[in-house]
Amino acid sequence: AQTVTQSQPEMSVQEAETVTLSCTYDTSESDYYLFWYKQPPSRQMILVIRQEAYKQQNATENRFSVNFQKAAKSFSLKISDSQLGDAAMYFCAYRSVGAGNQFYFGTGTSLTVIP
Amino acid sequence: GAVVSQHPSWVICKSGTSVKIECRSLDFQATTMFWYRQFPKQSLMLMATSNEGSKATYEQGVEKDKFLINHASLTLSTLTVTSAHPEDSSFYICSASLAGSETQYFGPGTRLLVL
Repeated sequence: AQTVTQSQPEMSVQEAETVTLSCTYDTSESDYYLFWYKQPPSRQMILVIRQEAYKQQNATENRFSVNFQKAAKSFSLKISDSQLGDAAMYFCAYRSVGAGNQFYFGTGTSLTVIP
Repeated sequence: GAVVSQHPSWVICKSGTSVKIECRSLDFQATTMFWYRQFPKQSLMLMATSNEGSKATYEQGVEKDKFLINHASLTLSTLTVTSAHPEDSSFYICSASLAGSETQYFGPGTRLLVL
């Protein structure tokens, strides 16, 4: 099974500043998908961003962007201009290519945004 | 689009009773649905993967006779916790994938408390 590691249990950022959340993974596959999900206090899992491994270009969604380093098996999330609503638990996830394949989640990073 | 609902959002039951949780994909057909369990401040733990019309695939350590999963249609999966005990108290989350899509869309979760 693939493993996903988030080495930062907790992070904090000042409002309007930038923060980067780390994620590394272990796999022998050459093609796969990577995701960042956000879980606010409501506990609803919300998709933040996804990356296809065969695409070299880093995915971007508004204030959220990733730094995907395939050789290093690293997939970090950068949040720019942090807002109070960004405070949440962030989970990194890995999925193999193929129908119905499961996600492998990291242990999560709790992000606090300081006003 | 890609909305997943869960019902109920909260349930309290007596020890020994059974509880059914519904997961519905509201605006798409979900060929695969997943059931997770999440303890406080922890990551999601996959319990089982279910494909419409076939038996669910359970993760190691998950009792299939205790956690009955039915995926009778492309928009509905149910999880029944049979003979619930206090240790079954947890947050249960379902997710669904569209056919041909790599993304999982999550329901809002169900909080189960067994007294």
